[in-house]
Amino acid sequence: RKEVEQDPGPFNVPEGATVAFNCTYSNSASQSFFWYRQDCRKEPKLLMSVYSSGNEDGRFTAQLNRASQYISLLIRDSKLSDSATYLCVVGGDYKLSFGAGTTVTVRA
Amino acid sequence: NAGVMQNPRHLVRRRGQEARLRCSPMKGHSHVYWYRQLPEEGLKFMVYLQKENIIDESGMPKERFSAEFPKEGPSILRIQQVVRGDSAAYFCASSPGSRVYEQYFGPGTRLTVT
Repeated sequence: RKEVEQDPGPFNVPEGATVAFNCTYSNSASQSFFWYRQDCRKEPKLLMSVYSSGNEDGRFTAQLNRASQYISLLIRDSKLSDSATYLCVVGGDYKLSFGAGTTVTVRA
Repeated sequence: NAGVMQNPRHLVRRRGQEARLRCSPMKGHSHVYWYRQLPEEGLKFMVYLQKENIIDESGMPKERFSAEFPKEGPSILRIQQVVRGDSAAYFCASSPGSRVYEQYFGPGTRLTVT
């Protein structure tokens, strides 16, 4: 079983739409949770950390459910520039475990 | 403030040759991590190093792969006798000592084995 599983998509949405997707992780001892963004196989860039209480950063909202080992990301009012692959990332002591990514394409 | 630097950005090697990938961490960062991304897959942890020490190499293939982070100079990921299956993007990340979760990634080296 993969450590982090994501729906690969793609999610094709019009500008202004809301898109949501999630991931599950297998290691219940995981301590930290993140969403990264990766454009065209470039380096991953941290989008946001995910906290148990849920957190928001502008148009992005992340939720964590430790009991179900489930993390979600919601993007409101999608922009063309949001087109990317979104990586669900889970951290242990120092290792980051990456999902294979969910591809989002926002069309005009 | 320069970010994590990796070179070369693209590397082509024939089967059986050696590949050397270099990573210079961000200024003030003493922890370096190497990850590999195969086509259509997520990044996979390979090795975690601090200056002159390998902390965890559990993600490294047992043969042909080695890594170092000397007291002076960049971290080096070395792949001996490359095979086609080694073709991948290799990303280096660094973090400040006290916050290992704040890993900043370099642009990666894309290795192609012909």
